[in-house]
Amino acid sequence: GIQVEQSPPDLILQEGANSTLRCNFSDSVNNLQWFHQNPWGQLINLFYIPSGTKQNGRLSATTVATERYSLLYISSSQTTDSGVYFCAVVEWSNTGKLIFGQGTTLQVKP
Amino acid sequence: DTGVSQDPRHKITKRGQNVTFRCDPISEHNRLYWYRQTLGQGPEFLTYFQNEAQLEKSRLLSDRFSAERPKGSFSTLEIQRTEQGDSAMYLCASSSPLTGGVNEQYFGPGTRLTVT
Repeated sequence: GIQVEQSPPDLILQEGANSTLRCNFSDSVNNLQWFHQNPWGQLINLFYIPSGTKQNGRLSATTVATERYSLLYISSSQTTDSGVYFCAVVEWSNTGKLIFGQGTTLQVKP
Repeated sequence: DTGVSQDPRHKITKRGQNVTFRCDPISEHNRLYWYRQTLGQGPEFLTYFQNEAQLEKSRLLSDRFSAERPKGSFSTLEIQRTEQGDSAMYLCASSSPLTGGVNEQYFGPGTRLTVT
């Protein structure tokens, strides 16, 4: 099955810094989502981005489907950005089940 | 538009007991998914419903696990004879690909199961 790899596994930033999280996947996909998991375990939707670029406030994401990767950019990070960021993909010809990466744990220090 | 809800939020049970979790998807979402997440890992797919039909089950779903979605609305996940290895967060998600072909999944808050 498809493999999803996220990097880096851990990231520590000072408040105000920018960061880039990467998601590589091993096969073609027809869906890609980015999530932020808060300390209570809730997965919060950030982007639905099977291809192209989207922006939402301080966050933006780019997926280059032909090269099988996606990037999540966080600008001017805040302590509330701390948590685990997951990339998840759906393979083509699939029921829509998401295959998750291992996540990037972000800690933003004040 | 209310989100996906799950009940209970936390469950502590003794090994060997049966437990049942409930998921209420976003109204009119015809697809419902169950996932399991253990500490330090990403969520893993368990099973999928389209309306009331269970169309896919993961090999992770042993015969002690059963899921239903009787009227195509809420779903239940039952674990029989719980084992310590069942301790995890159980997540439910729903989606509606009828909405412009976009199959974006939305997750509930999860049920955290601890088996002692």
